[in-house]
Amino acid sequence: DTGVSQNPRHKITKRGQNVTFRCDPISEHNRLYWYRQTLGQGPEFLTYFQNEAQLEKSRLLSDRFSAERPKGSFSTLEIQRTEQGDSAMYLCASSLTRNEQFFGPGTRLTVL
Amino acid sequence: AQSVAQPEDQVNVAEGNPLTVKCTYSVSGNPYLFWYVQYPNRGLQFLLKYITGDNLVKGSYGFEAEFNKSQTSFHLKKPSALVSDSALYFCAVRDWTGNQFYFGTGTSLTVIP
Repeated sequence: DTGVSQNPRHKITKRGQNVTFRCDPISEHNRLYWYRQTLGQGPEFLTYFQNEAQLEKSRLLSDRFSAERPKGSFSTLEIQRTEQGDSAMYLCASSLTRNEQFFGPGTRLTVL
Repeated sequence: AQSVAQPEDQVNVAEGNPLTVKCTYSVSGNPYLFWYVQYPNRGLQFLLKYITGDNLVKGSYGFEAEFNKSQTSFHLKKPSALVSDSALYFCAVRDWTGNQFYFGTGTSLTVIP
């Protein structure tokens, strides 16, 4: 069991730049979630994929954020024109059922 | 709308004593409740869930949780705390589709030797 992997683990960028993160879920998991976590807070739901279809997207999510899961396997999360407020840990989770999720280690984004 | 609240940012307990980490929920419809633990520099790990059935749910590492519908609570418990239980604990609830999960703000548990 290789678990959920995320790359890169850390990303430092300058304000205004675009960044892209990758998540590789557990191979047989058809459900994939993205979350954002800031210091002192719990994970905040961003978006959900079932296979390649993006079925849910947080209403709070800026249109600078976009996510894809082109073949129902790995997923990417892109942030365009980054802002300092985007600095956070970005978490990916996958699951086979509607219940237990398996989380990756996260990508820590710092926007200077 | 679904939400959970964790009223305590920090809980300290002596090793060997019972521990409780509190969670209350607000849902429309049936509650689907979860506990996760986050160790430093590691991803969140699933501990247990309540979907239906017995109000006392048993999970990983000796943890259990008590679902109380009248008090809308889902407190995490362990009869005897270990130093290795020191971590950040999150309560969560999902919507009925399983497409969205909502997490609490977390409770930092410190078990004192």
